[in-house]
Amino acid sequence: SQQGEEDPQALSIQEGENATMNCSYKTSINNLQWYRQNSGRGLVHLILIRSNEREKHSGRLRVTLDTSKKSSSLLITASRAADTASYFCATDRNSGNTPLVFGKGTRLSVIA
Amino acid sequence: GAGVSQSPRYKVAKRGQDVALRCDPISGHVSLFWYQQALGQGPEFLTYFQNEAQLDKSGLPSDRFFAERPEGSVSTLKIQRTQQEDSAVYLCASSPTGGELKLFFGSGTQLSVL
Repeated sequence: SQQGEEDPQALSIQEGENATMNCSYKTSINNLQWYRQNSGRGLVHLILIRSNEREKHSGRLRVTLDTSKKSSSLLITASRAADTASYFCATDRNSGNTPLVFGKGTRLSVIA
Repeated sequence: GAGVSQSPRYKVAKRGQDVALRCDPISGHVSLFWYQQALGQGPEFLTYFQNEAQLDKSGLPSDRFFAERPEGSVSTLKIQRTQQEDSAVYLCASSPTGGELKLFFGSGTQLSVL
């Protein structure tokens, strides 16, 4: 079963625009992570936000976390064609030695 | 090597055939995970190891699926009597011990069962 649900399922924007993706989850978490997957490749870790953090930045990435709403958002600013990929949120649940649980992903297309 | 390596990259099997998928994790990484990813979906957890111990196999879909990591390094995922519904990408990931769990993924094995 998948804990996270990303929204939207697909997003198409022009180069230079900002892209926002949302993730909702169901159970208490230790942290939430975002991963990126290029077509035909494995996932690559982008950023991690802990349950006691509300916002985190890394380069052109900005992640927010609202534990009261069990939701997170990933913002990519000034998008580039190379940002075209699928983006997944993953939760590390607050229940011992459990694996990361991934959502279904948002497929982002950045048009040059 | 520098990253997680999986082989073969592509595997075509006839229904009923057995297959074995290999994963070489990053050297020194204690934890190893297998995920199954259907087309257009997110990765679904199958099983994970800490060193040679298989700590969780709750995600394995049936007793036709078996994973091992006998020396705490290389892992093999075996699927017996493959079915069409087994067609998917099988991703392996490893993680160093301690701290927060961050996964380093291989490129996956794309399995097609005809």
